[in-house]
Amino acid sequence: GENVEQHPSTLSVQEGDSAVIKCTYSDSASNYFPWYKQELGKGPQLIIDIRSNVGEKKDQRIAVTLNKTAKHFSLHITETQPEDSAVYFCAASINAGGTSYGKLTFGQGTILTVHP
Amino acid sequence: GAVVSQHPSWVICKSGTSVKIECRSLDFQATTMFWYRQFPKQSLMLMATSNEGSKATYEQGVEKDKFLINHASLTLSTLTVTSAHPEDSSFYICSARDSWGSSYNEQFFGPGTRLTVL
Repeated sequence: GENVEQHPSTLSVQEGDSAVIKCTYSDSASNYFPWYKQELGKGPQLIIDIRSNVGEKKDQRIAVTLNKTAKHFSLHITETQPEDSAVYFCAASINAGGTSYGKLTFGQGTILTVHP
Repeated sequence: GAVVSQHPSWVICKSGTSVKIECRSLDFQATTMFWYRQFPKQSLMLMATSNEGSKATYEQGVEKDKFLINHASLTLSTLTVTSAHPEDSSFYICSARDSWGSSYNEQFFGPGTRLTVL
């Protein structure tokens, strides 16, 4: 089955700096790669996702890049703010579309701390 | 946006009792819902996939007779932890896919249920 590795496990940055989190996946058939932010005691919240037919996607301060050949994808957060502090998870799945389901395999998570 | 709710948000029960957790999609229909378990400082682990009107598909190592899943309607799935033991204490999270939405890949997550078994 799919295996997703995520690094680093913890990341500490100063406010205004950039943060980068990297993930690798094992199954070349995976075609959907979401990133989630989880605050303490809450469920994960989707912050950005990318499909395998796209190499990069950006949404304001957040961007995700995908290298299908190397089977890795990364989350980039620019101009970090203290409220960005949370646990971030990457995930990968194979989706066929329509009513078919796609199981998500999560990375181990990264604890991001943004110091004021 | 798509909203998924869970009830209860937290529950404390005695060892040997059963606990039911509800997962509802509030503004969309979901033929497929997923149940995850998350231990402290760990990642989310998929327990089972719940399909409306059919039996759930359990991940390897998850006891189907202990974790009963029912998905009787397009907006409700339930997870019942039977004969709960302290090792079942965890954060249980559900997610749902908008089956007919434009972003069919996306899973919308509930807020989670904290289960503590004494």
